[in-house]
Amino acid sequence: DTQMTQSPSSLSASVGDRVTITCRASQNINSWLAWYQQKAEKAPKSLIYTASNLHSGVPSRFSGSGSGTEFTLTISSLQPEDFATYYCQQYNTFPVTFGGGTKVEMK
Amino acid sequence: QVQLVESGGGVVQPGWSLRLSCAASGFTFSSHGMHWVRQTPGKGLEWVAVISYDGSTKQYADSVKGRFTISRDNSKNTLYLQMNSLRPEDTAVYYCAKDLLVANWGSRGFDYWGQGTLVSVSS
Repeated sequence: DTQMTQSPSSLSASVGDRVTITCRASQNINSWLAWYQQKAEKAPKSLIYTASNLHSGVPSRFSGSGSGTEFTLTISSLQPEDFATYYCQQYNTFPVTFGGGTKVEMK
Repeated sequence: QVQLVESGGGVVQPGWSLRLSCAASGFTFSSHGMHWVRQTPGKGLEWVAVISYDGSTKQYADSVKGRFTISRDNSKNTLYLQMNSLRPEDTAVYYCAKDLLVANWGSRGFDYWGQGTLVSVSS
């Protein structure tokens, strides 16, 4: 199975900050990586697919990059509604696997 | 708009069975693979199973293989998860999710998720 490792596991930031989350795959997954946002007691929301493509309706302050084994999710200017937990996911091979999550908290 | 609505969760004892359903609308259900994903309270996401758009191919996480069965009824736009021999470690919120991939086997990630249904296994 492909292991996905996210870092950091949590971070504190302020509105307006630039936030970067890293996801590493244990083997080459090409660009078959997605990012999801989850708020407390809610279902995950899809943000990015194929490493860098934004789903419809996702604000442009979100961006994704990377290929192979190293990927990043960047929020260019953190907004109040962005405080949440973020998960990466590889779908290069089954089983699909998720990173452990990064909780973005208010400083 | 796309809607995925899960149902069937509840409280059961170890060893019991439960069937979850996911009613889909707002898209061509028969063209997309579908997944079940679970989340233990306060923990991360764990992929459970996938079924191809036509129901011909399925894959499972090792943790549920031999106990859970994914299926679909394209005439009813509904996805199912039959869960047998339930264990306390199966306690979780179960989500169904739609795959981006159209009419092919594999995955291109998820674009829509249901709201989840809670399964609690306890004696």
